[in-house]
Amino acid sequence: TQLLEQSPQFLSIQEGENLTVYCNSSSVFSSLQWYRQEPGEGPVLLVTVVTGGEVKKLKRLTFQFGDARKDSSLHITAAQPGDTGLYLCAGANAGGTSYGKLTFGQGTILTVHP
Amino acid sequence: NAGVMQNPRHLVRRRGQEARLRCSPVKGHSHVYWYRQLPEEGLKFMVYLQKENIIDESGMPKERFSAEFPKEGPSILRIQQVVRGDSAAYFCASSRNRGEYEKLFFGSGTQLSVL
Repeated sequence: TQLLEQSPQFLSIQEGENLTVYCNSSSVFSSLQWYRQEPGEGPVLLVTVVTGGEVKKLKRLTFQFGDARKDSSLHITAAQPGDTGLYLCAGANAGGTSYGKLTFGQGTILTVHP
Repeated sequence: NAGVMQNPRHLVRRRGQEARLRCSPVKGHSHVYWYRQLPEEGLKFMVYLQKENIIDESGMPKERFSAEFPKEGPSILRIQQVVRGDSAAYFCASSRNRGEYEKLFFGSGTQLSVL
């Protein structure tokens, strides 16, 4: 069974601070996705990283995929209250399935105080 | 374009009743996935369907749960004889094509509460 350990589970910071969320596994994933989920809504895809060592930037968000494709991180620079939400990492099965069967981490609840 | 539509948004059932959750994928998408989100846990894959076919149901409990995606109409997740442990948010996602890099579009979910 593939598992994704996401940390920290809760993060409460002040506006303007930087933060990093980690996603780790002992398994190799063919790709890693990051989602953001608002209360009462479904997850919305932020980014997909595919290549080991890949770094993608989305405005103030930086996503990195580990060289061995077992871990990933999400770094937010100068957090704003609008960044508040649940962040989820999800790995695509490296076991040969060729469809969207994802293994999700437990999520990180981020609260940014004004 | 409408996204993935799920209904009802909230469903309350008593123990032993049946729950039917509906999902209409994005127009033009023929691949549907069901995920369950239990309190304090991440989303867990349940089943993957293409039109009229169940492709992977490895995440679905063997008993009481079934899913279908008919040629016409929405995908249905059916839970018979519900128990309190079935209380969760059930999310449906769709994709246009089959492929591990295909973007999944999630619906807003159905919150099932079993009394």
